[in-house]
Amino acid sequence: SQKIEQNSEALNIQEGKTATLTCNYTNYSPAYLQWYRQDPGRGPVFLLLIRENEKEKRKERLKVTFDTTLKQSLFHITASQPADSATYLCALGGSSASKIIFGSGTRLSIRP
Amino acid sequence: DAGVIQSPRHEVTEMGQEVTLRCKPISGHDYLFWYRQTMMRGLELLIYFNNNVPIDDSGMPEDRFSAKMPNASFSTLKIQPSEPRDSAVYFCASSYASPKKGEQFFGPGTRLTVL
Repeated sequence: SQKIEQNSEALNIQEGKTATLTCNYTNYSPAYLQWYRQDPGRGPVFLLLIRENEKEKRKERLKVTFDTTLKQSLFHITASQPADSATYLCALGGSSASKIIFGSGTRLSIRP
Repeated sequence: DAGVIQSPRHEVTEMGQEVTLRCKPISGHDYLFWYRQTMMRGLELLIYFNNNVPIDDSGMPEDRFSAKMPNASFSTLKIQPSEPRDSAVYFCASSYASPKKGEQFFGPGTRLTVL
């Protein structure tokens, strides 16, 4: 069955460092991948979308890579700030279906 | 724009009671999604609509769950009868286009507790 794994349940890093979150998948050939941010008590908020034919996407301090050979996406936050502390979810979708499947998320904490 | 609106924000009910969750998507969005989030299972898609028509309800856990979208600005998710294991946060999301082209906008969620 399709499986999405996000590298760790929680990640703690020092302010100013680069945070790297991992999303691995098996038994799936996604056409695109999305990353969302979720704060406690709120719904997820879209951050970035990357398609299977794209290697990398950037938005301000955020960078996403998509390696269909390794079946992995990396999500980077450079110059991390305490305000970046949240849970980050990856989501994958196929080319024909409109629904996407979410990973369980990684809780990121940035300490001052 | 007010974003996706969900009501109620919190619902506490007793086992066996009927529960109705409501959602108003963003105006002009053609897709509407209902999700359920729990600590154990994460964020799960229950059902989604395109132009008010249910497209995929394979995520609906069982016959106790039903969803309707009578018009482009309103959808309901009903649980009857409710059970303690239905306790979760239920999110409604809408999008202008298919998720493969862009983002979904999530509502604030309804936290359901079934005693």
